[in-house]
Amino acid sequence: QVQLQESGPGLVKTSQTLSLTCIVSGGSISSESYYWTWIRQPAGKGLEWIGRTYSSGGTDFNPSLKSRVTISVDTSKNQFSLKLTSVTAADTGVYYCARAHSSGYPPYWYFDLWGRGTLVTVSS
Amino acid sequence: DMQMTQSPSSLSASVGDRVTITCRASQNSGHYLNWYQQKPGEAPKLLIYAASTLQSGVPSRFSGSGYGTEFTLTISSLQPEDSATYFCQQSYNTPYPFGQGTKLEIK
Repeated sequence: QVQLQESGPGLVKTSQTLSLTCIVSGGSISSESYYWTWIRQPAGKGLEWIGRTYSSGGTDFNPSLKSRVTISVDTSKNQFSLKLTSVTAADTGVYYCARAHSSGYPPYWYFDLWGRGTLVTVSS
Repeated sequence: DMQMTQSPSSLSASVGDRVTITCRASQNSGHYLNWYQQKPGEAPKLLIYAASTLQSGVPSRFSGSGYGTEFTLTISSLQPEDSATYFCQQSYNTPYPFGQGTKLEIK
């Protein structure tokens, strides 16, 4: 079955760039039925949607992070990536990649498949 | 921006109890509301989408209802494995806000 796996450094220095990759296995990232998203969760807190990419390369971002976020897709490697610049301690947390699927018309989108998450700590 | 507010923030209930969690949206969300369950150290798991549609494989004791600005997640007969934090999420438009979570403990 389809699985998602995040990878990247667990420790990033303040003011530098956080870079994570999500590898999609067991299925194609190019399916038009899905889009691919990043979500984060600070320790002991709630969930925050960071942004998404379609297999075509189109993207959307959370306005609160838009100036610092890049999300890209590499269909040849079946993976998508997140870059978050100028990080601070407030960016510390577990970062999840997830698949969004839709059902019905009008389409109802939901996050039906998640990676296990990766903890990123920002420290000087 | 749309805000999602869950109540209660935490609750404790006994096995077999009927449990209800409420999620209120600051703007009309239609049926665009999803529910997730998260256990410690795990990724969230989709329970309900489109306010009331049960995700495949989720036990039928979970149900969702509501429209517009008020939604509920109900567990009809609480089981020990239901101990978790539950999040609602608006899926009508970005940035797809989540509620702050409801931590459910078993007495």
